[in-house]
Amino acid sequence: DSGVTQTPKHLITATGQRVTLRCSPRSGDLSVYWYQQSLDQGLQFLIQYYNGEERAKGNILERFSAQQFPDLHSELNLSSLELGDSALYFCASSLWEQGDTQYFGPGTRLTVL
Amino acid sequence: AQTVTQSQPEMSVQEAETVTLSCTYDTSESDYYLFWYKQPPSRQMILVIRQEAYKQQNATENRFSVNFQKAAKSFSLKISDSQLGDAAMYFCAVAQGSYDKVIFGPGTSLSVIP
Repeated sequence: DSGVTQTPKHLITATGQRVTLRCSPRSGDLSVYWYQQSLDQGLQFLIQYYNGEERAKGNILERFSAQQFPDLHSELNLSSLELGDSALYFCASSLWEQGDTQYFGPGTRLTVL
Repeated sequence: AQTVTQSQPEMSVQEAETVTLSCTYDTSESDYYLFWYKQPPSRQMILVIRQEAYKQQNATENRFSVNFQKAAKSFSLKISDSQLGDAAMYFCAVAQGSYDKVIFGPGTSLSVIP
C-alpha cells in the first residue's frame, strides 16, 4: 500500500458525459501527478500540482482539467468524454516538487461506452 | 525532447535465475533521476529502484540492482534469484531535475518460468 488513495476504483459512463476522479496523496506529500494509461499504450503524464499550484503540463487534453485543494487532495475532471478516453488513470504523489520518488495510487479505471 | 526506450517488449527468465532488462534514455538535462517501476497484473505501479544521475554508485535494493552508464545514457535493471512474484510489466522512467515530469518507457513484460 503506497498510501495514495484514489476514488472511485471503477467508473462506467457514456460518451459526452463528465466525470471527476479524486486523489488523496500520502500524508505530508505536497506534489500530486496525474497519468493516463490506455490498454495499448504506456503511461502518459498529464499534469502536476505542487502545494496547490500547477507545476507541469504534459499531454493533457483541453477537455480535461485538474486542481489541487488546500488540503492537498486533487481532482481530475474529464468532460465531453469520448470512447478513446477509456483508460486507467493514476494519481501519484511525492514530498517535494522535484527529484523525489513518486508513489502511485491504485488507479481509477474509466470505461466510456 | 526527453525520451525513454525499452528495446525488449517481452522477456522470460527461469525461476531462481538472473535477468537484465534494458533501458536507454535521452535527455539534455544534467540533473535528472531514473526509476524502475513494476506493474503486476493488479495494475498497481510499484517503485522498484531509484538512481540519482549525479551518483556514480549503482543503486541496489535486495535482489534488484541497476547498471547506470551515464555517458551511454543506459540504465539497465538486473533481477537476481528471480521469483514467480517478479512477473510483471517493468517500466523505466526518467525525471528531469527542473520539473518532476516523469517520462516512462513503453515497458518490458517479464515472465517467470517455474
